Amino acid sequence: DVKVTQSSRYLVKRTGEKVFLECVQDMDHENMFWYRQDPGLGLRLIYFSYDVKMKEKGDIPEGYSVSREKKERFSLILESASTNQTSMYLCASSLLQAPSNEQFFGPGTRLTVL
Amino acid sequence: SQKIEQNSEALNIQEGKTATLTCNYTNYSPAYLQWYRQDPGRGPVFLLLIRENEKEKRKERLKVTFDTTLKQSLFHITASQPADSATYLCALDNTGGGNKLTFGTGTQLKVEL
Repeated sequence: DVKVTQSSRYLVKRTGEKVFLECVQDMDHENMFWYRQDPGLGLRLIYFSYDVKMKEKGDIPEGYSVSREKKERFSLILESASTNQTSMYLCASSLLQAPSNEQFFGPGTRLTVL
Repeated sequence: SQKIEQNSEALNIQEGKTATLTCNYTNYSPAYLQWYRQDPGRGPVFLLLIRENEKEKRKERLKVTFDTTLKQSLFHITASQPADSATYLCALDNTGGGNKLTFGTGTQLKVEL
């Protein structure tokens, strides 16, 4: 059974803390994505990666960075967490070339920044 | 800029009826469109993909249409069941490429007994 896992389901951090969100996929997918989901705004792409050590900015990269040192792992980093980064964070992966290009999502991490 | 609109109001229907959800887009010529289901507290799950040269796609009780002239996709669930209650998201391939998707905000469907 294909799987995308995220390190935490719930996380509470304080303003100014450095936060790491980890995502691991076991499907040997080239593409990996980080989204945040907020009520009324839907899923918004933060960063994505199509290969190890490669990354590209999505629609809302400000305040975030990413790391992809291994194919199966994609990390999202909040250098200095702020309250407006309280959100649901979703990781996804997909094949580089696929008939459907469907994305497989993890269960999400609900991050609260106090 | 690209814009995708889904009805933000929840859709309540009776069990056994057909549910129809709408996805409209502007400033966009997508090569394909996808539909996902999302349950509360979970990540979206892929349901169907339809390409620009396809008018209709079916999978069991699901049917998707794609009208590139109207810039609209309709998502139908026939013989709906309470277990179909969820939020349904449409997504279009992003003009930036790289297998990126742009998602709509989703429509919540509630199927009542």
